[in-house]
Amino acid sequence: AQSVTQLDSQVPVFEEAPVELRCNYSSSVSVYLFWYVQYPNQGLQLLLKYLSGSTLVKGINGFEAEFNKSQTSFHLRKPSVHISDTAEYFCAVSDEGFQKLVFGTGTRLLVSP
Amino acid sequence: GAVVSQHPSRVICKSGTSVKIECRSLDFQATTMFWYRQFPKQSLMLMATSNEGSKATYEQGVEKDKFLINHASLTLSTLTVTSAHPEDSSFYICSARDLWGQGMTEQFFGPGTRLTVL
Repeated sequence: AQSVTQLDSQVPVFEEAPVELRCNYSSSVSVYLFWYVQYPNQGLQLLLKYLSGSTLVKGINGFEAEFNKSQTSFHLRKPSVHISDTAEYFCAVSDEGFQKLVFGTGTRLLVSP
Repeated sequence: GAVVSQHPSRVICKSGTSVKIECRSLDFQATTMFWYRQFPKQSLMLMATSNEGSKATYEQGVEKDKFLINHASLTLSTLTVTSAHPEDSSFYICSARDLWGQGMTEQFFGPGTRLTVL
């Protein structure tokens, strides 16, 4: 069975500072990894995904993530955050069949001036 | 990108009534749709996977007689919460998979439906 751990439930950061949101996964098979963002009372929007190839994945809104197989991690980073990045961020894993996504518990990013 | 809509966005009903939520893929054909439930400040929990023209596959612990799912066409899936009770109050989100556009690898999410049962 696959699982995703997001250790940080909330990450406060000042505007224009860098941020890293942590994600660790467990799986006995090859995985595909995703980061989604959710704004209040809205659905999820895909930020980026890792399927294969380069372990550094660039996404929308200036976000990037690095797949580290040895550490079973897929941390999300942004070098300089904006107030508008305040939202809930979910890491998710899918197996090779893409039958379903398993989500982490989410990390709330709070950007203050 | 692919767009998924949900209707209604918000619904309030009395205990014991049934509520239907629609999920539509607006600009692609979705052979598979997924229904999730999200409690306040928690993650999304998959309730069921719906394939067009066949019965939905429910996750363990989800009552299929209470949460009726119909996927009658390639652009529409419905979730009916039957005999709703206050504990069914939640945020319900659907997603759809496009086999011919982005392929199998991405699910496109709807904006969600806030259900409040009084």
